[in-house]
Amino acid sequence: DAKTTQPTSMDCAEGRAANLPCNHSTISGNEYVYWYRQIHSQGPQYIIHGLKNNETNEMASLIITEDRKSSTLILPHATLRDTAVYYCIVRGGMNRDDKIIFGKGTRLHILP
Amino acid sequence: GAVVSQHPSWVICKSGTSVKIECRSLDFQATTMFWYRQFPKQSLMLMATSNEGSKATYEQGVEKDKFLINHASLTLSTLTVTSAHPEDSSFYICSARDSRLRAGGYTFGSGTRLTVV
Repeated sequence: DAKTTQPTSMDCAEGRAANLPCNHSTISGNEYVYWYRQIHSQGPQYIIHGLKNNETNEMASLIITEDRKSSTLILPHATLRDTAVYYCIVRGGMNRDDKIIFGKGTRLHILP
Repeated sequence: GAVVSQHPSWVICKSGTSVKIECRSLDFQATTMFWYRQFPKQSLMLMATSNEGSKATYEQGVEKDKFLINHASLTLSTLTVTSAHPEDSSFYICSARDSRLRAGGYTFGSGTRLTVV
């Protein structure tokens, strides 16, 4: 079973920041938080990951709470191309061949 | 960056025939690949873990004789859907781990849409 809980769907206006929450209250100390997204009829795309510090890359920012029980993915300036299902996944460190188990994700609709 | 090529992108086959789907890591070696299945409006469901040079590990409820997995080289894993039936129609996706990558490490193919008629 997935170890994360996400809202089923969210809407966001184009050009605004999209904030996608994720609860992972049972996360263990050596587990990372990963975010992927899946645009319709395509394979999932890696977005970002983190352990306990906030992370930022060219796609998004990841904010992890101090107790690590929840996180938020931030798309700073959402565009129509960001419409997708976003998956928050908790798994072991990068050096392990842990399989990725997908939950139901959040369906993000970017509104023009 | 790491690229995983999946072929074909779509296939239509007759009921009772077998279909082979290929998953290739183009610029890296992958000792482990994963196969997923996705039905409309649902999430990806892990079917099996493909290990180079050894037998695949199947998830509970996945028939290993129905879904044959071969990982004969470090860059190629194949999934064969044997004696396909309409209920096998789905979107099949593979992924591979590139140990060189710091970021995430797993790359996904673009998927294969199988329609059994």
